[in-house]
Amino acid sequence: GQQLNQSPQSMFIQEGEDVSMNCTSSSIFNTWLWYKQDPGEGPVLLIALYKAGELTSNGRLTAQFGITRKDSFLNISASIPSDVGIYFCAGSRLSTGNQFYFGTGTSLTVIP
Amino acid sequence: SAVISQKPSRDICQRGTSLTIQCQVDSQVTMMFWYRQQPGQSLTLIATANQGSEATYESGFVIDKFPISRPNLTFSTLTVSNMSPEDSSIYLCSVGEETQYFGPGTRLLVL
Repeated sequence: GQQLNQSPQSMFIQEGEDVSMNCTSSSIFNTWLWYKQDPGEGPVLLIALYKAGELTSNGRLTAQFGITRKDSFLNISASIPSDVGIYFCAGSRLSTGNQFYFGTGTSLTVIP
Repeated sequence: SAVISQKPSRDICQRGTSLTIQCQVDSQVTMMFWYRQQPGQSLTLIATANQGSEATYESGFVIDKFPISRPNLTFSTLTVSNMSPEDSSIYLCSVGEETQYFGPGTRLLVL
């Protein structure tokens, strides 16, 4: 199945810094989702995007649906230690119904 | 969002045996899915669990290895059959259409 390219693969940042990560695909998607997964847990939905150009915030998190519909971005402002985890993007295409393809993941470490 | 529970949360199994994982949702849902997450990897869709009909499997996954039941709109099971160490993974169920919500996962270790 298709896999989305997510970058960076890992990040080590100081507490208080801002974080940016992105997800790209060779195909056009009509939905983008961003998840956070803590160790030993299932992924938790952070933000859902349904329209090209859409910019949506959830607290300190902001995500954008790229204009080309082939990419999406997630930003975290003023990082805190509990932001540590693995962040996954996921996208779906109209042609494949409700099937979501997942990114390779970005591992975030926040240094207090 | 729906509340999703999975049983067991974790298990250690011997090769050649089978394990059935249960997924329970607190509300009726149309779409239920099963994913596998191998150690340190991303999520891969195994199949869509269809209520009242056979599951729809993704390329690389077959019914004999991963039989799925979906007896009603709130419950599904995934069986990992004739296990080998390569089946050691986290198995996750999810629900939703335009978005997907995940259960806590079942951590399986095959010795």
